[in-house]
Amino acid sequence: SQKIEQNSEALNIQEGKTATLTCNYTNYSPAYLQWYRQDPGRGPVFLLLIRENEKEKRKERLKVTFDTTLKQSLFHITASQPADSATYLCALEGYNFNKFYFGSGTKLNVKP
Amino acid sequence: SQTIHQWPATLVQPVGSPLSLECTVEGTSNPNLYWYRQAAGRGLQLLFYSVGIGQISSEVPQNLSASRPQDRQFILSSKKLLLSDSGFYLCAWKPGRGLAANYGYTFGSGTRLTVV
Repeated sequence: SQKIEQNSEALNIQEGKTATLTCNYTNYSPAYLQWYRQDPGRGPVFLLLIRENEKEKRKERLKVTFDTTLKQSLFHITASQPADSATYLCALEGYNFNKFYFGSGTKLNVKP
Repeated sequence: SQTIHQWPATLVQPVGSPLSLECTVEGTSNPNLYWYRQAAGRGLQLLFYSVGIGQISSEVPQNLSASRPQDRQFILSSKKLLLSDSGFYLCAWKPGRGLAANYGYTFGSGTRLTVV
């Protein structure tokens, strides 16, 4: 079965720096990879989607890369702010476009 | 605009009692609907998904069942709750019928279930 790995240790960075989060997967060939933000006690919120034939996608301070050879996606937040502190989840979707599989998430702490 | 409603927000139920969680979506038609469970400090586990009325796919064998009696209504049920059913239950939707590509999920606000 598919396996999606995100760093379980929290990432602590200083305000203004770039945060980089990693999502690795095995036993799967996703059509899409997505990133979500989740705050405590809340449902995840969709941030970005990248297709298998795209290398990079940007949205404001966010950037996602997708390397299907390495089976890895990197999620970057530039000029990070304390308000960016949350858990970030990656999710993979197959070609039937009917369901996603989520990683366990990485908690980001941005210190002022 | 589309909205998703999920209730109740919190629920404390004794072991062996029944469960019914409801989710409704407004402002769209033919959505794909999903139930996820998130244990404390863990990722989201897909429980059920539905691409149409009466069509339910189960991802894991468990003590739970799901039903979709109407196009925009998705219900998660159990006849007898177990302690292991405790967790954070999330309903989600995304466009269906060929529109599913290019869209992310929209999640409800979740139900915190504690089985005692």
